[in-house]
Amino acid sequence: EPEVTQTPSHQVTQMGQEVILRCVPISNHLYFYWYRQILGQKVEFLVSFYNNEISEKSEIFDDQFSVERPDGSNFTLKIRSTKLEDSAMYFCASSASSGRVADTQYFGPGTRLTVL
Amino acid sequence: GEDVEQSLFLSVREGDSSVINCTYTDSSSTYLYWYKQEPGAGLQLLTYIFSNMDMKQDQRLTVLLNKKDKHLSLRIADTQTGDSAIYFCALHGYSTLTFGKGTMLLVSP
Repeated sequence: EPEVTQTPSHQVTQMGQEVILRCVPISNHLYFYWYRQILGQKVEFLVSFYNNEISEKSEIFDDQFSVERPDGSNFTLKIRSTKLEDSAMYFCASSASSGRVADTQYFGPGTRLTVL
Repeated sequence: GEDVEQSLFLSVREGDSSVINCTYTDSSSTYLYWYKQEPGAGLQLLTYIFSNMDMKQDQRLTVLLNKKDKHLSLRIADTQTGDSAIYFCALHGYSTLTFGKGTMLLVSP
């Protein structure tokens, strides 16, 4: 069964460093998402991406964050200068479309980011 | 914005039924989901219900939706130890999902 994959599973970085989290969405999906879950908190929406541009973003997704689909398979989240409060589990998701139940979002296993 | 609340913890014995509850504030969501997260794993879609339905049954899972009270529940019949996980309800907005904090279900033998 097709699945969303994410690498690395765990990333440790120093405050102020740049990190890139990688995702390979399900191959025929067109919509891509990033969510994050700070330990003990809710899963929060960060950004959605379609047709090579951001379609929606939350207030969490500030200028420190960027997303890119550098090739036909990868979808990346970059944090330019990490802060301690960026420590969280980051989930990538994809869907064939948006807003319809047949196009439910499927999630990857997550990348745990630890900022020291 | 949407607020989704869940109780944080539920403990049951193997073979019993489990009922996980979720309340929400925004009634405009068209789809309401239940996701399961096992330790170290991602979010696995369990089931969903469309907002014009009151109930949906899928094998051991029963989803009940009370739109008047803005209350969603997931019932797991004959709960097994393998059902131990965190269960999230999530509401589908324009293109995003709004999640609750998750309910940790612990099933003891």
